[in-house]
Amino acid sequence: GQNIDQPTEMTATEGAIVQINCTYQTSGFNGLFWYQQHAGEAPTFLSYNVLDGLEEKGRFSSFLSRSKGYSYLLLKELQMKDSASYLCAVLPNFGNEKLTFGTGTRLTIIP
Amino acid sequence: DAGVIQSPRHEVTEMGQEVTLRCKPISGHDYLFWYRQTMMRGLELLIYFNNNVPIDDSGMPEDRFSAKMPNASFSTLKIQPSEPRDSAVYFCATASQGTYNEQFFGPGTRLTVL
Repeated sequence: GQNIDQPTEMTATEGAIVQINCTYQTSGFNGLFWYQQHAGEAPTFLSYNVLDGLEEKGRFSSFLSRSKGYSYLLLKELQMKDSASYLCAVLPNFGNEKLTFGTGTRLTIIP
Repeated sequence: DAGVIQSPRHEVTEMGQEVTLRCKPISGHDYLFWYRQTMMRGLELLIYFNNNVPIDDSGMPEDRFSAKMPNASFSTLKIQPSEPRDSAVYFCATASQGTYNEQFFGPGTRLTVL
């Protein structure tokens, strides 16, 4: 089976930095994704990692360690609009596009 | 581009009724995915198509659920008969062969079965 774990909720302060962790145990690995979902809206793509290391995209960065089955999403210079759920998802099988999602981390930004 | 279009946005129906959800993908996208999201189970893939052909339907809960993609511009997800436990938000997402790692989600259909 596929298992993806991430914290249920986190709170951080506007202007600060927050790290959202994700650990996974899957039958295979062909990439890890992070999606952002604001309340009542659809998920939107943030990042994709398939090799170990850090991918930076503006205020957001995503890190992957395949040997540890671990990823994190780093958000810098937090803004109120960053309050949302962050979904970690793994693509276990090459040639099959079936994504397995974690249950998401609800991030609340406080002034 | 208008993005992925789903209809209806909200659906309230009674147990036992047939429900049909519709999706129009982004033009040129080869992949189409149907997801269901609930508080308890999160976001789950039900089925996905590649070039209008169903590839993986292992997430379809039971025979009451069926999905079709008659052409590259349209897909439907049908529930017959509907049950209260089917209440959820149903998302359609599409992706391009060239950038398969990014899925674009539609706004979703919020289904309530009474």
